[in-house]
Amino acid sequence: GAGVSQSPSNKVTEKGKDVELRCDPISGHTALYWYRQSLGQGLEFLIYFQGNSAPDKSGLPSDRFSAERTGGSVSTLTIQRTQQEDSAVYLCASSLGAGDIQYFGAGTRLSVL
Amino acid sequence: QKEVEQNSGPLSVPEGAIASLNCTYSDRVSQSFFWYRQYSGKSPELIMSIYSNGDKEDGRFTAQLNKASQYVSLLIRDSQPSDSATYLCAVIFQAGTALIFGKGTTLSVSS
Repeated sequence: GAGVSQSPSNKVTEKGKDVELRCDPISGHTALYWYRQSLGQGLEFLIYFQGNSAPDKSGLPSDRFSAERTGGSVSTLTIQRTQQEDSAVYLCASSLGAGDIQYFGAGTRLSVL
Repeated sequence: QKEVEQNSGPLSVPEGAIASLNCTYSDRVSQSFFWYRQYSGKSPELIMSIYSNGDKEDGRFTAQLNKASQYVSLLIRDSQPSDSATYLCAVIFQAGTALIFGKGTTLSVSS
């Protein structure tokens, strides 16, 4: 596809369950980012992948959050033992390289009941 | 602490007026500056990018950057109701790192 693709678009889960969110970046983009947008909050950075380098995990809020990027393309964000405060829109973005313009996917709206 | 500050608004302007959106950032060595527009329930879309001091114009939009004052602004000329959205200022503080966003300014253009 032409843009960043994220799935699912909506996810409802029960507190304590694990969830996986998927991001398929724009073809050829080496950089991939995950952000979170909570109600009333700004966009907050979670994790950044650049090529084959070790990811920048400095934005992950707790060790319940992890992400991987396989083959330099698709990325999965995993949240273990979800809590109600994890409810947010999770946005993925990709860019051609580090520091280039980032293009966002439509996001996954996560609701933890 | 890397911070980006914006007035939350709402900023209300009549159709056809100029809307002025402002943003300040905390780190003098910041390199790259972006304005994104976000409609309610949608993801951010890029409006403008600016990297050097001065003005950059694209259609009805002008971005202005003053690195000495750590200030970046977005002017929207001939504002239209379809411009009503939240405008997010974002900064890359250091090469190879993620965007740091302000909380956004809500713009309302009345017809």
